[in-house]
Amino acid sequence: DQQVKQNSPSLSVQEGRISILNCDYTNSMFDYFLWYKKYPAEGPTFLISISSIKDKNEDGRFTVFLNKSAKHLSLHIVPSQPGDSAVYFCAAKNGGSTLGRLYFGRGTQLTVWP
Amino acid sequence: DAGVTQSPTHLIKTRGQHVTLRCSPISGHKSVSWYQQVLGQGPQFIFQYYEKEERGRGNFPDRFSARQFPNYSSELNVNALLLGDSALYLCASSSSESWSYLNEQFFGPGTRLTVL
Repeated sequence: DQQVKQNSPSLSVQEGRISILNCDYTNSMFDYFLWYKKYPAEGPTFLISISSIKDKNEDGRFTVFLNKSAKHLSLHIVPSQPGDSAVYFCAAKNGGSTLGRLYFGRGTQLTVWP
Repeated sequence: DAGVTQSPTHLIKTRGQHVTLRCSPISGHKSVSWYQQVLGQGPQFIFQYYEKEERGRGNFPDRFSARQFPNYSSELNVNALLLGDSALYLCASSSSESWSYLNEQFFGPGTRLTVL
C-alpha cells in the first residue's frame, strides 16, 4: 500500500519558470515531510523538509507547502535552473513510531530546459 | 568529512546465490538504515539498526538479513537471490535512533545489484 504518492512521473519546465512538484499522503500519523533530490548513480540528497506544525518552509529557491487537511504537500522551485534536473522524491515519517523509517513516493523526474 | 560509503558499487549475481552489501556510516552516526529501490519506484525500507541492534524491519522476507558492527558499519545479506531482488540498495545513516528534523538521514550512493 503506497502511503506516499507522487502521481506525476515527470515534469518539464523552462529555465527561469516555476517548477511545482506535488505529493499526497494517506497516513494521518505522518508528522514530518521531506523532499530528496536524486541524480543518476548517486544516493538521494536531502533538499528541504517541513514539520506538520507548519504550513510553509522556505530555503532559497525552494519552498515546501503543507496542507494537512488535504494531506497534500508541494515543492516549489523558483526560478528553475537546468541543474535542478533530477528525480525528486517526497518522503514522510510516522510521528507515532520511534523508528527513523521513511516512506517514499515513486518520484518525479524534473527536466529544466534552457 | 566522508559521507556514507557503500561497497561494492555494482554487483551481478545469478539466481539462488547469496550477496553481501556493505555500508560505512558518517563518522559519529550510530544508526544505519537499509532501503531497496526498484526501478521506477521509491526507496522501500528494509531494516534499521541502532547501537548494533535491529530496531525495525520492513515488509521483506527472511532471506534478507543485516547486522551492525561495533564501529557502526553494517552489512546487508540476501540469500537465495531472485530476479526481483535486482535493485539499487541504499544505506542511510543518522546520528540518533529516532531522528527528527534536527538529525537528518544521509544516504550513500547505493549498490546496484543485478540478478540474472
